[in-house]
Amino acid sequence: NAGVTQTPKFQVLKTGQSMTLQCAQDMNHEYMSWYRQDPGMGLRLIHYSVGAGITDQGEVPNGYNVSRSTTEDFPLRLLSAAPSQTSVYFCASSYGGGETQYFGPGTRLLVL
Amino acid sequence: AQKVTQAQTEISVVEKEDVTLDCVYETRDTTYYLFWYKQPPSGELVFLIRRNSFDEQNEISGRYSWNFQKSTSSFNFTITASQVVDSAVYFCALCLYSSASKIIFGSGTRLSIRP
Repeated sequence: NAGVTQTPKFQVLKTGQSMTLQCAQDMNHEYMSWYRQDPGMGLRLIHYSVGAGITDQGEVPNGYNVSRSTTEDFPLRLLSAAPSQTSVYFCASSYGGGETQYFGPGTRLLVL
Repeated sequence: AQKVTQAQTEISVVEKEDVTLDCVYETRDTTYYLFWYKQPPSGELVFLIRRNSFDEQNEISGRYSWNFQKSTSSFNFTITASQVVDSAVYFCALCLYSSASKIIFGSGTRLSIRP
């Protein structure tokens, strides 16, 4: 099993550009989440999904969109990148609510 | 409101010393889960332990041990005989049964083990 995979590992964007961060898992997990990690602030939940076709907002959803068309994939879209979105983004998945979340390796995003 | 506090921003100890990382959480829910994750310098997040609110038994895994005390809303993590490889950022996290999709993370404690 590859576990949770994320692409790209590193990305540089200009302000206003859009892009999609990819996340996939091969553990047949129902729950998937996106977090951002900023220095001194731990991880903050952006969006999450409890199954294919179901998504909801987390703590910091503004500027991001998600969709969940399959169990395996949970892409995160930045609509119009801003310097405030410079961060490390982690995708995670779990079997169910309250279960252990397993994290991908992260995507480091720099918005100029 | 739910909250996780890791008051120790940074800790530095000499190798072989014991070190305890504090975690205090806030919730009015009676059913919840607590976690510890390790983030080494390479950046990935490594799961260490999960504990539900009904299980207050302390746990030991090798040099790692966890002390869960509901009376003080604490879930502290101790590393015995620390090693340089233990250097990392450690995160404590809380997940409520009532909103089980969401995990709330503390801000982390950066642990440095000096040789």
